[in-house]
Amino acid sequence: AQSVTQLGSHVSVSEGALVLLRCNYSSSVPPYLFWYVQYPNQGLQLLLKYTSAATLVKGINDFEAEFKKSETSFHLTKPSAHMSDAAEYFCAVSDPRGGGNKLTFGTGTQLKVEL
Amino acid sequence: DGGITQSPKYLFRKEGQNVTLSCEQNLNHDAMYWYRQDPGQGLRLIYYSQIVNDFQKGDIAEGYSVSREKKESFPLTVTSAQKNPTAFYLCASKDRGPGTDTQYFGPGTRLTVL
Repeated sequence: AQSVTQLGSHVSVSEGALVLLRCNYSSSVPPYLFWYVQYPNQGLQLLLKYTSAATLVKGINDFEAEFKKSETSFHLTKPSAHMSDAAEYFCAVSDPRGGGNKLTFGTGTQLKVEL
Repeated sequence: DGGITQSPKYLFRKEGQNVTLSCEQNLNHDAMYWYRQDPGQGLRLIYYSQIVNDFQKGDIAEGYSVSREKKESFPLTVTSAQKNPTAFYLCASKDRGPGTDTQYFGPGTRLTVL
């Protein structure tokens, strides 16, 4: 079975500060990992994904994440927060053998950006 | 424009009534999914379908039913047997084959049962 833990259901940063959203996973096989963003009352938009290529993955809007097998982590970072980054962020894991059909999501982290 | 549409965006129903949520995609994707989202719980898989006329239960299928008669459509029925139907429902789709690992999501339908 796979699982995802997102540490911190709410994170608050100042505009221009570093954004760090934490994600740890559990998987019996090398996983695929995803970060999605959700704005209020909208669907999920893919930010970036790791699918066993480069461990440092760059996504949209200057977000990036690093796959660390030894730490079973896939933390999301952005060097400088913008007000438009305020949203809920979800980390998800899937088993490559399952063709991406079973995405297991974390419980989400709400990011607040303050002036 | 290619994408996934869900309708309606907001839906209100009385307790005990069945209700069907629509999901349509024009991405030519083979696989489609239904998720339920509740505050603080992330997304949970209800049903998924990899090809037309075939579907599988997800983690929380009780009280829900689906059909997949056309490749582009995957409607979800919330039946009166679902004990807590009020939630945000998200549909997703994905292509099949090597390298097709990403699910793409629709805008969601917020169902409120009164």
